[in-house]
Amino acid sequence: GAGVSQTPSNKVTEKGKYVELRCDPISGHTALYWYRQSLGQGPEFLIYFQGTGAADDSGLPNDRFFAVRPEGSVSTLKIQRTERGDSAVYLCASSRGDGETQYFGPGTRLLVL
Amino acid sequence: QKEVEQDPGPLSVPEGAIVSLNCTYSNSAFQYFMWYRQYSRKGPELLMYTYSSGNKEDGRFTAQVDKSSKYISLFIRDSQPSDSATYLCAMSRSYNTDKLIFGTGTRLQVFP
Repeated sequence: GAGVSQTPSNKVTEKGKYVELRCDPISGHTALYWYRQSLGQGPEFLIYFQGTGAADDSGLPNDRFFAVRPEGSVSTLKIQRTERGDSAVYLCASSRGDGETQYFGPGTRLLVL
Repeated sequence: QKEVEQDPGPLSVPEGAIVSLNCTYSNSAFQYFMWYRQYSRKGPELLMYTYSSGNKEDGRFTAQVDKSSKYISLFIRDSQPSDSATYLCAMSRSYNTDKLIFGTGTRLQVFP
């Protein structure tokens, strides 16, 4: 079956620009997570959705980062006024929400020049 | 100090060797412990999970958790070149609804 998909797979942008990263979770998964992975590091939690609402956004680094999941399925991570330090792989994961584990997508590699 | 500490390696072993990967942690609230495998330019893939202390075996993989020492391990028997990847430990306070806290990952290279 289809896994978690993320688009685009790669994104190059210039400092100060706005970017949107998309995540399509596994069908029927109610929980969705965003993580950020810098080179040589493990993934770091950003935000968790249960259905349409953000249940935990404590990992968002600042107010330039925002995420939505309006219909409880697809989610978009939005980054305003990008900075070079935002360059990383942004990972999305989903789960059924009934005790099953998180399944990760391949990630979007963001490079801010 | 990070909540989860993991030696980044790299670890290089010959095919057939037994590999031992380890993590330590500081937060006693962690109850669920996972090992993920990540190939280059791919997302993490769950290998093993354990709840609280104890051992769990799945094929060539064995996961151990010692909550008294705040120490977890993953053993790989009869290692294969296809096991070459980065291995990430992760933990959470609840199995599904809580965020995962990851170690930095250990890069493993198994040479023929």
